[in-house]
Amino acid sequence: GAGVSQSPSNKVTEKGKDVELRCDPISGHTALYWYRQSLGQGLEFLIYFQGNSAPDKSGLPSDRFSAERTGGSVSTLTIQRTQQEDSAVYLCASSLASGVEKLFFGSGTQLSVL
Amino acid sequence: GNSVTQMEGPVTLSEEAFLTINCTYTATGYPSLFWYVQYPGEGLQLLLKATKADDKGSNKGFEATYRKETTSFHLEKGSVQVSDSAVYFCALSEGSARQLTFGSGTQLTVLP
Repeated sequence: GAGVSQSPSNKVTEKGKDVELRCDPISGHTALYWYRQSLGQGLEFLIYFQGNSAPDKSGLPSDRFSAERTGGSVSTLTIQRTQQEDSAVYLCASSLASGVEKLFFGSGTQLSVL
Repeated sequence: GNSVTQMEGPVTLSEEAFLTINCTYTATGYPSLFWYVQYPGEGLQLLLKATKADDKGSNKGFEATYRKETTSFHLEKGSVQVSDSAVYFCALSEGSARQLTFGSGTQLTVLP
């Protein structure tokens, strides 16, 4: 596609439910990142995929969070047993190389946990 | 650890006014500095960058100078337009996007 696509754009869920957030990167981009932006905060790195290498999961806040990337393209971020503090905008970005200035961001998924 | 502190918003200006959004940083090494912009309904976009001290990044009339002595990277524009209304994020990186640290963002609204 022309840009990084994320779905859904908004998700409202009840505390304790599981949610899946999807990211469709720019075709051919080998690097994919997930970030979280909580209200009034800067972006927080969550996880990084590069090609077929093992993902860098060092930013995931708890074991309720997981992500996968199938076929080196689409990625899904899963949050199990959601908590109110998980409410945030989840941003996905992709790039051809690992340089910061090459990042292209999606418009994000606004997650609200009631 | 690294951190970025930027001017709290929201900032409201009239068209053609001068803009300054302050940004200061704390880093253990020698980071690259960035300004990102998020227009309504769109993803973050890189606006400009500077990779070493005294470098000036510029784009679309915006400028920012990497000041190591004051650990600052203030964003300026001499004459803002309505189309500049957006959220602006200051950020730093010490090598990779895994180490990208963002400020909390500043909402700018430019009135006609």
